Amino acid sequence: AQSVAQPEDQVNVAEGNPLTVKCTYSVSGNPYLFWYVQYPNRGLQFLLKYITGDNLVKGSYGFEAEFNKSQTSFHLKKPSALVSDSALYFCAVRDRGSTGFQKLVFGTGTRLLVSP
Amino acid sequence: GAVVSQHPSWVICKSGTSVKIECRSLDFQATTMFWYRQFPKQSLMLMATSNEGSKATYEQGVEKDKFLINHASLTLSTLTVTSAHPEDSSFYICSARDGQGNTEAFFGQGTRLTVV
Repeated sequence: AQSVAQPEDQVNVAEGNPLTVKCTYSVSGNPYLFWYVQYPNRGLQFLLKYITGDNLVKGSYGFEAEFNKSQTSFHLKKPSALVSDSALYFCAVRDRGSTGFQKLVFGTGTRLLVSP
Repeated sequence: GAVVSQHPSWVICKSGTSVKIECRSLDFQATTMFWYRQFPKQSLMLMATSNEGSKATYEQGVEKDKFLINHASLTLSTLTVTSAHPEDSSFYICSARDGQGNTEAFFGQGTRLTVV
């Protein structure tokens, strides 16, 4: 089964500094990887995805992620953090479950806190 | 991106009653919808996958008689929590995919259910 791991429960960064939220994956075959963001008491918003092609993927709100096959990583990055970026971030991988349907398998989430 | 609307955003009900949550795709036809449950400070747990016009497929450990899912049209899926108990209190999130080759899923804003 495919899986992703987010090793950090929380990441703290000062506004204006670059941010990185880490994600590593374990898959058989080529991975379909995603990043989503969740604000309090809200659903998830899609940020970006990697399917194939360029290893650097650009997404919404200035976020980007780099697919690194040798390190099996898909870290989320932003050059300059904003206080409004503070939220819960989920990495996910697409998997075909026991039911036969394609589904998203989520990491445990990383809380990003950007201080003014 | 595509819009998924979930209603209600929050609901409080008494033990023993049933609660229905609606998930609508507003600007696309959702051939597949997913229902997740999220416990505080935890990741999303997939409960079931439903395809329009067919019975939902439940993940292992999820009681199908407890969590009734109906996907009667290409734009609407409902989750009914039957005979709710306090342990059913949680954040429920739906997501939908359009079946047009888009690999990402789009999420509703979630429903906070509190059973008293």
